[in-house]
Amino acid sequence: AQSVTQLDSHVSVSEGTPVLLRCNYSSSYSPSLFWYVQHPNKGLQLLLKYTSAATLVKGINGFEAEFKKSETSFHLTKPSAHMSDAAEYFCVVSESGGSYIPTFGRGTSLIVHP
Amino acid sequence: SQTIHQWPATLVQPVGSPLSLECTVEGTSNPNLYWYRQAAGRGLQLLFYSVGIGQISSEVPQNLSASRPQDRQFILSSKKLLLSDSGFYLCAWSVGLVSYNEQFFGPGTRLTVL
Repeated sequence: AQSVTQLDSHVSVSEGTPVLLRCNYSSSYSPSLFWYVQHPNKGLQLLLKYTSAATLVKGINGFEAEFKKSETSFHLTKPSAHMSDAAEYFCVVSESGGSYIPTFGRGTSLIVHP
Repeated sequence: SQTIHQWPATLVQPVGSPLSLECTVEGTSNPNLYWYRQAAGRGLQLLFYSVGIGQISSEVPQNLSASRPQDRQFILSSKKLLLSDSGFYLCAWSVGLVSYNEQFFGPGTRLTVL
């Protein structure tokens, strides 16, 4: 069985400061992990994904995430926040050997202050 | 390149009226198709998914139904809308029955039931 927990429902940062969005997962098989971003009233867009290759994954718009098996975590980071980063972020897990249907976290709302 | 379309973009319907939302995908064959609902301030809820024409799996009991009359067409319907059906409806597609392929989302339909 697979599950994902986004540890913060809201994260507030100032423009130019680092961003950290936390995600823990549970999986009975080798997981694939994804981060998606959703701007207001828009569809979701893939930021990055981990599929058992390099544990540090680089995505679009300067975001990256590190897969840590020992901590069952896949936190999303960015060195410097921009106003345009304000959005909803979803962590997603999908496991090989089980259902291929992905499981979504409840989302983290990123607020960026000028 | 692949694209996904949803229409209408917004819809206001009275309680008890029927519903039909359409999703079409271009540029790929035999996609997996998904319908999600996103209620205000909440995460994504998977409603239906389909791995082929006429093959529909339902994740949540409700008064909604889905159909896939063509390979790249996915329709969400209701005979009588409830107030609780209000939300943001997202269609998505992916390729293959594998865990490591990401989903691609449409722009969404905002449904308000009055």
